[in-house]
Amino acid sequence: AQSVAQPEDQVNVAEGNPLTVKCTYSVSGNPYLFWYVQYPNRGLQFLLKYITGDNLVKGSYGFEAEFNKSQTSFHLKKPSALVSDSALYFCAVRALNYGQNFVFGPGTRLSVLP
Amino acid sequence: DGGITQSPKYLFRKEGQNVTLSCEQNLNHDAMYWYRQDPGQGLRLIYYSQIVNDFQKGDIAEGYSVSREKKESFPLTVTSAQKNPTAFYLCATYTPTKNTGELFFGEGSRLTVL
Repeated sequence: AQSVAQPEDQVNVAEGNPLTVKCTYSVSGNPYLFWYVQYPNRGLQFLLKYITGDNLVKGSYGFEAEFNKSQTSFHLKKPSALVSDSALYFCAVRALNYGQNFVFGPGTRLSVLP
Repeated sequence: DGGITQSPKYLFRKEGQNVTLSCEQNLNHDAMYWYRQDPGQGLRLIYYSQIVNDFQKGDIAEGYSVSREKKESFPLTVTSAQKNPTAFYLCATYTPTKNTGELFFGEGSRLTVL
C-alpha cells in the first residue's frame, strides 16, 4: 500500500528565513511525488512534482523540493519565506502500479511570522 | 477559462436529508475524483471515475453516491446514511493521457449538518 507521512503538524518560521516542510513516503515501485498548497476555504493548488531525472525540482512561487530515494523523502523548501506563504501544505504520492490514485499526507500548517 | 467549478460553496443540511454537490469541468479530463477533507486527516478518497458511465469506490464510499453521465460532470450525493457528513469536499480531475500529470482541484464545498 502507498502511504505518505508529514511528521510535523505545524512549522513556524520567521519571514526571510529558509523553510522546510518534510515529507516521507512508502510505495512499491517508482513514485510520482507532488506538493500542493491550500489557503483557507480554498481548493488545493499544485506547486511542483517529481517524476524522474534531477532530484531537485523547482516549482511555483520560489518553492523547490528534493527527492531522496534512499531516505524515501521529498522535502519542500524555500530559501526565503514570505508571510504570504502561510498556508496548509500537502505532500502526495502516486505509483504506476496503483493506477491513477493519489495518496495524500495529513498536511503541515506553515506559519511565517513577520 | 478552463477549470473546475464546484457548487454550492457552502451548504447546510438537516439530519436525514440527502444533498448533492455539483462538480463541473471544462478541462476535457477523463478522470474525476471526490475527496473529503477533515482537520488533521488530509484528503480521503470517496469515489473516482476514469470514464463516462463508470466509477469506483474509494476508501470512504459508505453513505455517498455518484454518477458520471457526462464527461464534464461528476455530482456527489451525500445520503442520510453518512453518519458524520460535516466536512469540506473537494472535486479533482486528472488526464490519464498525460500519465505524469497532477490532479487539478476545484475550490471545494463546505457541508455543515445542523
